[in-house]
Amino acid sequence: DSGVTQTPKHLITATGQRVTLRCSPRSGDLSVYWYQQSLDQGLQFLIQYYNGEERAKGNILERFSAQQFPDLHSELNLSSLELGDSALYFCASSPRGGLAGDEQYFGPGTRLTVT
Amino acid sequence: AQKVTQAQTEISVVEKEDVTLDCVYETRDTTYYLFWYKQPPSGELVFLIRRNSFDEQNEISGRYSWNFQKSTSSFNFTITASQVVDSAVYFCALSEAWETSGSRLTFGEGTQLTVNP
Repeated sequence: DSGVTQTPKHLITATGQRVTLRCSPRSGDLSVYWYQQSLDQGLQFLIQYYNGEERAKGNILERFSAQQFPDLHSELNLSSLELGDSALYFCASSPRGGLAGDEQYFGPGTRLTVT
Repeated sequence: AQKVTQAQTEISVVEKEDVTLDCVYETRDTTYYLFWYKQPPSGELVFLIRRNSFDEQNEISGRYSWNFQKSTSSFNFTITASQVVDSAVYFCALSEAWETSGSRLTFGEGTQLTVNP
């Protein structure tokens, strides 16, 4: 158990809908990352927050947005869902400054199925 | 741009065999970090090791060992005397230091290791 929690574990929804994935980092970690794992694209970095501020952005679609709250939990919002958004979404957290070289500890993931 | 290649898609061995998982990376940064993660059938990603680009010393942790060679841009992972519980997908990842305010992991495609009894 990494100490990173993600809810829900599974989510099934229809195309066009909007969902929110939630993540709580390990105690004391200020940095949160979101990744998407799909069969065709592999593991892809989406976005990083550090203490409430966006720090790095990957190939995150405009339909997706994220934020980190004052209590350090983070939410990933996915809207206008398409079949291709079906994937495993991971949240990770890291100690120290959230810079290159920090090891990232991953949560169990949320499996999103869009039908 | 950074890239990580794990050419071995699947490897199957018999228990107690040694197995090496290959990882080749590309980066223009002189300071970077390499990682290995394990993804067992349960799905979570488990951190195994981190190396920085200035430390080419090989590392051993129990049955696991890692060989980092900058000359060939490789960071290979060897499991000695493999066990059924080692069956998982193993990912190699790279993080570059040019991002002064944040970081990201660039993952390889992963290698599915199956250890048969």
